[in-house]
Amino acid sequence: DAGITQSPRHKVTETGTPVTLRCHQTENHRYMYWYRQDPGHGLRLIHYSYGVKDTDKGEVSDGYSVSRSKTEDFLLTLESATSSQTSVYFCAISGGTGVGEQYFGPGTRLTVT
Amino acid sequence: AQSVTQPDIHITVSEGASLELRCNYSYGATPYLFWYVQSPGQGLQLLLKYFSGDTLVQGIKGFEAEFKRSQSSFNLRKPSVHWSDAAEYFCAVGANTGNQFYFGTGTSLTVIP
Repeated sequence: DAGITQSPRHKVTETGTPVTLRCHQTENHRYMYWYRQDPGHGLRLIHYSYGVKDTDKGEVSDGYSVSRSKTEDFLLTLESATSSQTSVYFCAISGGTGVGEQYFGPGTRLTVT
Repeated sequence: AQSVTQPDIHITVSEGASLELRCNYSYGATPYLFWYVQSPGQGLQLLLKYFSGDTLVQGIKGFEAEFKRSQSSFNLRKPSVHWSDAAEYFCAVGANTGNQFYFGTGTSLTVIP
């Protein structure tokens, strides 16, 4: 298994509070991604990173921000959580150049009450 | 625009029966195609991938998939299903831009004894 960890694994928070999810990799891969998974929608890309301090938006980036200050860590922040952000969040990594397979972390289940 | 369609939301098969999960994609260039499997409460595991060459690709756990450009399809098959194959299956197409993936909405597989 690829060395990807996510923390926390479960979190319950209240509407309006900030939340930060962490993804940590030990593979030294260049690309890192944050997805959310919701029933009927599959996985949707929130943000991705193609290097330290290099990030870009995905399909559903509104309400989320990211940071990558080190190769191994990619943080996802919900500045002011809303109930619509209740979801399972997955981090993924990919190495090399061009299109390559992505490897996924175990996920974080976030509930916003 | 890139997209992936998995027309079957849920499939039920008997153990030992053959399986085919459908995937259709829309992509303007040569597609990079993937199948992933997700067991309940787990992250996604790569089953197989197609980049180029032989259109029939073999994956892990006895799965195979066939790329048919004329039909824009990448269907997943297994000759004899095992109870442990019960899971959610996702098809994805990869894009060169940021190595982004576009996922289908998934097919849930139930295996009955």
